[in-house]
Amino acid sequence: DSGVTQTPKHLITATGQRVTLRCSPRSGDLSVYWYQQSLDQGLQFLIQYYNGEERAKGNILERFSAQQFPDLHSELNLSSLELGDSALYFCASSPRLGGSTDTQYFGPGTRLTVL
Amino acid sequence: GESVGLHLPTLSVQEGDNSIINCAYSNSASDYFIWYKQESGKGPQFIIDIRSNMDKRQGQRVTVLLNKTVKHLSLQIAATQPGDSAVYFCAENESGRGGADGLTFGKGTHLIIQP
Repeated sequence: DSGVTQTPKHLITATGQRVTLRCSPRSGDLSVYWYQQSLDQGLQFLIQYYNGEERAKGNILERFSAQQFPDLHSELNLSSLELGDSALYFCASSPRLGGSTDTQYFGPGTRLTVL
Repeated sequence: GESVGLHLPTLSVQEGDNSIINCAYSNSASDYFIWYKQESGKGPQFIIDIRSNMDKRQGQRVTVLLNKTVKHLSLQIAATQPGDSAVYFCAENESGRGGADGLTFGKGTHLIIQP
């Protein structure tokens, strides 16, 4: 158990809908990262928050957004869902800002299925 | 864009043998490398990391080797056990990106342990 929690574990929804995925980082970790894992794209970095502020963006679509709250939990919002958004979404956390001094620990993931 | 990739998608080894999983990376500025293990239905689990000022690092039953000259990373697992069956990912980061950023993952190698 990494100490990172994610809810829900599974989510099934329809095209065009909006969903919110939730992540609680390990105790004391200030950075939260979101990743998408799909069969064709593999594990891809989406976005990072550090202590409530956005710090880095990866391959995140404009239809997706995230935020980190004062208690450091984070939410990933996915809107206007398409079939291709079906994937596993992972949250990771690290103690500090990231980079070569910070190990990222991953949560169990949320499996999103868009029908 | 730059990416991290794996040489073999599947590796089958006999229980008790040593396993070697390889990874090639293309970003010569990468200075932090990590191996993750992902079991079915779970999130990536940190195994071991290495920074670019080292060429070898050992953990419990695992050793990571880094060859910066040819941009190659390998994970050696000693005395492979059934519990080692999983997909193994290498990942990299570049501290020059200001520390804040996500990891770039390879496509993964599926390690299968034969009894």
